[in-house]
Amino acid sequence: AQRVTQPEKLLSVFKGAPVELKCNYSYSGSPELFWYVQYSRQRLQLLLRHISRESIKGFTADLNKGETSFHLKKPFAQEEDSAMYYCALSGGSNYKLTFGKGTLLTVNP
Amino acid sequence: GAVVSQHPSRVICKSGTSVKIECRSLDFQATTMFWYRQFPKQSLMLMATSNEGSKATYEQGVEKDKFLINHASLTLSTLTVTSAHPEDSSFYICSARDLRGASGELFFGEGSRLTVL
Repeated sequence: AQRVTQPEKLLSVFKGAPVELKCNYSYSGSPELFWYVQYSRQRLQLLLRHISRESIKGFTADLNKGETSFHLKKPFAQEEDSAMYYCALSGGSNYKLTFGKGTLLTVNP
Repeated sequence: GAVVSQHPSRVICKSGTSVKIECRSLDFQATTMFWYRQFPKQSLMLMATSNEGSKATYEQGVEKDKFLINHASLTLSTLTVTSAHPEDSSFYICSARDLRGASGELFFGEGSRLTVL
């Protein structure tokens, strides 16, 4: 069974501070991990995926198979980063995603 | 990026009636679309995988006779909530995969909020 755990419902940081949104997963095979973001009054959109190994809007995430984690990090948070962030896992080629419960990030001025 | 559109964005209906929600891929063809349900302050729960030209695949615990899915064309999938009850009130979101790019990224609709009175 696939499972994604985001332990923090809410995360609040000040502008310029580092931020880390935690994500742990459970899957018996080789998963594909994603971070999706939902800004206020907007639809869900892809932020980044682990196979791309790229930085988007200053965010990075590294897949740690030993710890079964895919934490999202940004060294200097900006106010416009305030949003709901969902970690998601796909275990097959059909792109069926399992989502975590999400973390609401608030970046204060 | 590709665009997925849902209609209606909001619908209010009386208990016992049926409601249809459409999901369209506007600038690409999608052989597979996904329907999710999101309760307030909770995550997205996959309800079913909609397959063009064949039956939908439902997740465990989702009543297929309650939530009818039809994927009649490569750009349209519909979700019909039959004999709706107040407990069916929720936010329904669809997604579709754009296979044109190498990444096969999933794109999401804006969601449809159903309120059953």
